[in-house]
Amino acid sequence: EVQLLESGGGLVQPGGSLRLSCAASGFTLRSYAMSWVRQAPGKGQEWVSAISGSDDSTYYADSVKGRFTISRDSSKNTLYLQMNSLRAEDTAVYYCAKGLSVYYRDAFDIWGQGTMVTVSS
Amino acid sequence: DIRMTQSPSTLSASVGDRVTITCRASQSLYNWLAWYQQKPGKAPKLLIYKASTLESGVPSRFSGSGSGTEFTLTINSLQPDDFATYYCQQYHSYSTFGQGTKVEI
Repeated sequence: EVQLLESGGGLVQPGGSLRLSCAASGFTLRSYAMSWVRQAPGKGQEWVSAISGSDDSTYYADSVKGRFTISRDSSKNTLYLQMNSLRAEDTAVYYCAKGLSVYYRDAFDIWGQGTMVTVSS
Repeated sequence: DIRMTQSPSTLSASVGDRVTITCRASQSLYNWLAWYQQKPGKAPKLLIYKASTLESGVPSRFSGSGSGTEFTLTINSLQPDDFATYYCQQYHSYSTFGQGTKVEI
């Protein structure tokens, strides 16, 4: 079964760091573009970052550029999101999502269950 | 950045109704648009991609149409399981989601 399982969320103080993980099963992560999408409480979805499936190129929303880093470990079939300099407005449920192809601009056919990140003092 | 505007924000309907949700983009997307269904506490579920292609396993009562800047999701004969929030997503330039349409009884 094709599945994504996120972990690593939690409560962190403003200015702190967290690393989210997304373990993939049932498919090879390297063969598809992968993204992180977040949803603040009571709000809609916001695309955060993507990594292409072809050449490891990375892409970021302006709101997180310079603070977040997306990466992938093919040996572990796991996607990561390193989040630094966290702000209150980063509070959200973070989902990893699988693209339909290797191309970073794509629809997402598989989503994880989400992991909650709360930035608060 | 491409802005996505969905309408209506909330839609009251009954089982058996035909429901239409509209998504407008601030610039042309060609057909790079997807629709998702989300239920409380759950991840979004892909329904439609490339504006009108039905995702595998999605019931045929869901359909998508449009191109350029105006797109429509139609649900024929609304079922109890369809009461949820629906989002459009453009993926012509990075990715942006609409603000959502809640379909309620």
